[in-house]
Amino acid sequence: EAGVVQSPRYKIIEKKQPVAFWCNPISGHNTLYWYRQNLGQGPELLIRYENEEAVDDSQLPKDRFSAERLKGVDSTLKIQPAELGDSAVYLCASSSTGPETQYFGPGTRLLVL
Amino acid sequence: GNSVTQMEGPVTLSEEAFLTINCTYTATGYPSLFWYVQYPGEGLQLLLKATKADDKGSNKGFEATYRKETTSFHLEKGSVQVSDSAVYFCALANYGQNFVFGPGTRLSVLP
Repeated sequence: EAGVVQSPRYKIIEKKQPVAFWCNPISGHNTLYWYRQNLGQGPELLIRYENEEAVDDSQLPKDRFSAERLKGVDSTLKIQPAELGDSAVYLCASSSTGPETQYFGPGTRLLVL
Repeated sequence: GNSVTQMEGPVTLSEEAFLTINCTYTATGYPSLFWYVQYPGEGLQLLLKATKADDKGSNKGFEATYRKETTSFHLEKGSVQVSDSAVYFCALANYGQNFVFGPGTRLSVLP
């Protein structure tokens, strides 16, 4: 069984530029999570989807971050414009039976210069 | 709110040494507790979990016991290997709520 796929794995951009991350969850997993992991810290939830509906986006900085999950499968997380403080690893996870069984992708490491 | 505290790393051990990584939590109700591991270049993987007080989670020689009286979930392994070098995250989740992760503890095992 294929795991959670994320791309790109690494991204370097200049501040004020836009950037997008893509996630393909495990087949059949209805729940999708985006996390941000700052250096030396644990992951922090940005947004959670149940199918195509965002059911928890309370931690998503909506002035510059946006996300979508068309057709309830793949998801894209976008930052526009990026700031220096956005440098982090962005993790995607999916589950079929709740957060206790979520599977993580390898993450996208973003560096904003 | 919910929070998780872990011992600071990095932790450096020789092969076959005994490992303890401390984890304490603050939460309302009765959360489930987890240890995740992140090997270099890979995503987080669930290592073990415990869903109620006094439960012991175990996997790959690692163990952790859910201690409600001390709000702790310390990770232990009797004899570490070089391949155990990774970052270990303690986490909790209350029913119907999202995960809260600790900051992670980096373990390096030397041959």
